[in-house]
Formats: sequence, structure tokens, C-alpha cells
Amino acid sequence: EPEVTQTPSHQVTQMGQEVILRCVPISNHLYFYWYRQILGQKVEFLVSFYNNEISEKSEIFDDQFSVERPDGSNFTLKIRSTKLEDSAMYFCASRRSDGTFYNEQFFGPGTRLTVL
Amino acid sequence: KNEVEQSPQNLTAQEGEFITINCSYSVGISALHWLQQHPGGGIVSLFMLSSGKKKHGRLIATINIQEKHSSLHITASHPRDSAVYICASSRGSYYGNNRLAFGKGNQVVVIP
Repeated sequence: EPEVTQTPSHQVTQMGQEVILRCVPISNHLYFYWYRQILGQKVEFLVSFYNNEISEKSEIFDDQFSVERPDGSNFTLKIRSTKLEDSAMYFCASRRSDGTFYNEQFFGPGTRLTVL
Repeated sequence: KNEVEQSPQNLTAQEGEFITINCSYSVGISALHWLQQHPGGGIVSLFMLSSGKKKHGRLIATINIQEKHSSLHITASHPRDSAVYICASSRGSYYGNNRLAFGKGNQVVVIP
């Protein structure tokens, strides 16, 4: 069964460093998402991406964040200068588009980012 | 802003018991999602529903659109059902991006 994959599973970085989190969505899906979950808190929406552009972003997704689909398969989240408060589990999700909004999202296993 | 509330926050049950967890949301939605998160952190989609009831194995999800309320039932609970169950709502337009708004989750522990 197709699945969303994410790499790395765990990333440790120093404050101020740039990190790139990678996701490979399911191949025939057209909508892509990044969510994050700070330890002990609920999952929060970061950004959605469709047709090679951001379709919506939350207030969390400031200028330090960017997303890119550099080729036909990868979907990346870049944090330019990490802060301690960026430490969280980052989930990528994707869903297909078949003319209805009643499509479930499929989640990747997550990347645990630890900023020291 | 769509707020999603879940109750109870923590639930412990004996193996075999019937479990019900609840979710309420504040604004009209296009769909309600139930997700399962295991201790390793991964999230698995269990149900997506916009009306009525859905059943998958020992899991049943119901939604009442008028009351803005959904329930997830686990019949004949088993220790492997121990997980965090997360309710999330989506408000996508016809071709919209369909972002999810999440509740805090219900921590369910099933004791053998």
C-alpha cells in the first residue's frame, strides 16, 4: 500500500542552523501539508501546498520557514535559522484530488527535530 | 476559528470493555477525522466522515452535524488499542486545501 515517507526520522541541530525536512508524498496525490506537534501539545497546521505554490499558511509559518517541491516526488520544509521552540515532531501529509473535498489525508511517520 | 474539544482527556479501561470518546467542534465543517497516534508518534487515519456512522472492525465512528459532535467507540477493547485518539476537523471548499484543525487527543489505556 502506498505511504508517505519522511527523512530523517530524527534530526538534532544547533540553534541558528538551517534544517531541511524531507517528505515523499503518495505519488498520485496533489495536496501536501506540513504539521507540527510540540511535545505534549496538539498537532498544529503549518502550511498547505498545491499546484506548486502555498495555498494556505498558519501564523506559525513565518519568514523562517519555506516549502518546496524541487522535483516530482519530494516535498521539503526548510527552517532557515532554528530556534529552541522549533523543537517538535514534524508531520508531512498528502491527499489526492478527485474533485471533492472529502479526501482523507495520509500522514508520514514524522521527523523529530531537536534544537539544542 | 474552529475549536475542537475532546473528552475525556485520559481513559483507562479493562480489556473487553466498550469505550467511547467524544469530540465537539465549534463551526460547520466539511468532514470530521479520527486519527490514532501510537507512542512512537506516527499518525494513522482511522475514519473520515461527514454524516452518519462508519464502522471498521471493532471501531465505530458517528457524527451529529446539528449538534457538532462526534464519537468514537471501541468495542471489545484490547491492550493494542492503547493509543492517543485525535479528532480533527476540515473545512475545505470544493477544491480547497482542506487543512485540519486538531483536538488535543484522548489518551486511552486498555489494561489486560
